[in-house]
Parts: sequence; C-alpha cells; structure tokens
Amino acid sequence: EPEVTQTPSHQVTQMGQEVILRCVPISNHLYFYWYRQILGQKVEFLVSFYNNEISEKSEIFDDQFSVERPDGSNFTLKIRSTKLEDSAMYFCASVTGLAYEQYFGPGTRLTVT
Amino acid sequence: GENVEQHPSTLSVQEGDSAVIKCTYSDSASNYFPWYKQELGKRPQLIIDIRSNVGEKKDQRIAVTLNKTAKHFSLHITETQPEDSAVYFCAATLNRDDKIIFGKGTRLHILP
Repeated sequence: EPEVTQTPSHQVTQMGQEVILRCVPISNHLYFYWYRQILGQKVEFLVSFYNNEISEKSEIFDDQFSVERPDGSNFTLKIRSTKLEDSAMYFCASVTGLAYEQYFGPGTRLTVT
Repeated sequence: GENVEQHPSTLSVQEGDSAVIKCTYSDSASNYFPWYKQELGKRPQLIIDIRSNVGEKKDQRIAVTLNKTAKHFSLHITETQPEDSAVYFCAATLNRDDKIIFGKGTRLHILP
C-alpha cells in the first residue's frame, strides 16, 4: 500500500537556524497538508496546499513558515528562523480529493535548542 | 472556525470492559468525522470514520455514533484489550479537501 514518507525522522537545530522538513505524498494525491503536534498536545493544522499554491493557513503559519512543491514528488515545509516553541512533531498528510481519508506520514520530530 | 471538544482527557478501563469517548463539534456544516489512535511517537492512525449522512458505524469491537442535531459524536470500544491503550483523537472536517480539526485527545489506559 502506498505511504506518505517524511525525512528526516528527527531534526535537532539551534534557535535561529533554518530547517527544511521534507515529505513525499502519495503519487496520485492532489491536496497536501502540514500539521504540528507539540508533545502531549493535540494535532494542529498549519497549512494546506493545492495546485501549487496555499489554499489555507492557520494562525500558527506566520511569515517564518513557507511551503513548496519543488518538483512532482516532494512537498517541503521551511521554518526560516526557528524558535524554541517550534519544537514539535510535524506531520505531512495528503488526500486524493475524491475521498475523505487523509494519509499521514510518520512525522519529523523537530527539536530546537 | 470549527472547534472540536473531547472528553474525557484520561480514561482507565478494566480489560474486557467497554470504553466510551465523547466529542462535540461547533460547525454544523462539518460532514466527516474520523477517529484516530496514536501510539507514543507514531503518526495518528485512522481507526474508524463516519459521514454525516450516517448515524452509526461499526467495525468489529469499535463503533462510532453521530447525532447531527446535537453535534455530538462518540467512539465505543467493547471488550477492551491491552493493545487498545493509546491516545485517541476525534476530529471533524467540512469537505474532502479540507483541513482536519482535532480534539485534544483521550489517553486510554486498559487495566489488567
């Protein structure tokens, strides 16, 4: 069964550094998402992406965040200048648009020190 | 925007007994309600879902009920087993391509 993949599984970075989290959605999916989960808390929506542009973003997704689909397979989340409070698990998800189920990747644990 | 409330935050159940987790949602236009199980350090895993045109759905030991009028939906796990111990999240979404709004989660402990 096809799966969403994410790299790296764990990223440690210093405050103020830029990080890029990578996702490969399922190949025939058209809608892509990033979610964040701070340890012990709920999963929170960050941004949705369709047809090479952002369709919706949450209040969390400020100017420090950006997303890109640089080629036909990768979907990236960039944090320009990381803060301690960006430490969380980041999940990528994708959906066909014909069905409701979103498929989640295994996540990237981001630790900002 | 949509808001999903979930109760209880923690639930301890004797092995073999049933567990019930309840959620409410705010946006009456929501029409898809998935439930996720999440083990420590892992991704949320869809265990059952229900569309707004259905009142109840069952899959083996797991069932979900939906009351659209009251904007309530619930997860029922019967004959609980140790492997049911995890965090469970209810969620809601408007459309097939829309974001998922999660509840705060219920940590379920199955006691031996």
